[in-house]
Amino acid sequence: EAGVAQSPRYKIIEKRQSVAFWCNPISGHATLYWYQQILGQGPKLLIQFQNNGVVDDSQLPKDRFSAERLKGVDSTLKIQPAKLEDSAVYLCASRLTPGQGRDTQYFGPGTRLTVL
Amino acid sequence: DQQVKQNSPSLSVQEGRISILNCDYTNSMFDYFLWYKKYPAEGPTFLISISSIKDKNEDGRFTVFLNKSAKHLSLHIVPSQPGDSAVYFCAASGNNYGQNFVFGPGTRLSVLP
Repeated sequence: EAGVAQSPRYKIIEKRQSVAFWCNPISGHATLYWYQQILGQGPKLLIQFQNNGVVDDSQLPKDRFSAERLKGVDSTLKIQPAKLEDSAVYLCASRLTPGQGRDTQYFGPGTRLTVL
Repeated sequence: DQQVKQNSPSLSVQEGRISILNCDYTNSMFDYFLWYKKYPAEGPTFLISISSIKDKNEDGRFTVFLNKSAKHLSLHIVPSQPGDSAVYFCAASGNNYGQNFVFGPGTRLSVLP
């Protein structure tokens, strides 16, 4: 079974530029998450999708971050414009069904973003 | 306000000895807890979980203990191996449908040969 795919793996941009990350979850997984992991901290949930609908985006900085999951499969996370404090690893995770088998959340390798 | 705390940023243990990683939480609504392991340049991978109806769960060399009254859990690795060197995250979740995980900041474990 293929895992969660993310690209790019690394990205360096200057502040005020835009950036986009892509995630392809495990086939058949209805739930998709984007996390932000700042150095020295644990992953923090940004947004949760159930199929192509948003379930929880309470911690997404909506003035600069946006995410979509068209057709309920792949997802993109965008930052526009980027700030220095956005430097972090952005992790995508997927789960077959929320609330069942709560340990089955699979993470991708992440995208390391550096904002200069 | 950190709801899940891992007060030891790092831990070093000799190969073959026991590693004990600790985690504290503040939200009494949490009832499901997990440990994830993370190697550099990889995403976290699930290691072991425990429900609040239990106080212990064991899987091979890994055992998680839960003390609900103290809002404390710990992960024991016996015996520790160099391949266990990684960052370990504690995560907690409530029982409501779709409630998500809150992660601790992680503890970096180094197992010395």
